[in-house]
Amino acid sequence: GAVVSQHPSWVICKSGTSVKIECRSLDFQATTMFWYRQFPKQSLMLMATSNEGSKATYEQGVEKDKFLINHASLTLSTLTVTSAHPEDSSFYICSVLLGTSGYNEQFFGPGTRLTVL
Amino acid sequence: GQNIDQPTEMTATEGAIVQINCTYQTSGFNGLFWYQQHAGEAPTFLSYNVLDGLEEKGRFSSFLSRSKGYSYLLLKELQMKDSASYLCASSDSNYQLIWGAGTKLIIKP
Repeated sequence: GAVVSQHPSWVICKSGTSVKIECRSLDFQATTMFWYRQFPKQSLMLMATSNEGSKATYEQGVEKDKFLINHASLTLSTLTVTSAHPEDSSFYICSVLLGTSGYNEQFFGPGTRLTVL
Repeated sequence: GQNIDQPTEMTATEGAIVQINCTYQTSGFNGLFWYQQHAGEAPTFLSYNVLDGLEEKGRFSSFLSRSKGYSYLLLKELQMKDSASYLCASSDSNYQLIWGAGTKLIIKP
């Protein structure tokens, strides 16, 4: 498997500020990482697919200028929530994709709980 | 289109058996995953099926029928710690996961 960490595990910020969330693959070089958002009592919503060395692919309805993703290395992807607002408060989870054909499994980070005041 | 359906909530008794069903419609199907998610935590992998049949792993088993677009997760000898949400997800041709809304499983003593 793959061990994935996220930092910070929780953050509280004021409306209008920007927040950066890091996702690290500790024991695996991840070409592909995914960023999810999960609101209370709802399932995971894929926000974007992050590919190392190229631009992220955003899902429909996700503003790429608001949720900046940088996947500069095979072990680190960052999600920056710019000009955060209370409606951005959510549980943000990253995952790394292990395998590219046949059996493919996503390993999840522990998540980052963002609260925007 | 892409669609995953699973029950919203189920209740079972400690020590009993429960089956959580999932139906899916996915383009370029590449397998069916089950994840467990406790409140406030990230999902953890339980099982993966890509061929028809039953995969058994301890107290948990998962079944897949590709022709019917159907899977189930079977939990035996239920323990209180099994109270969680169980997420069904299908993998599409781009290896992205299409997620169900999750089934909240409540275990009663």
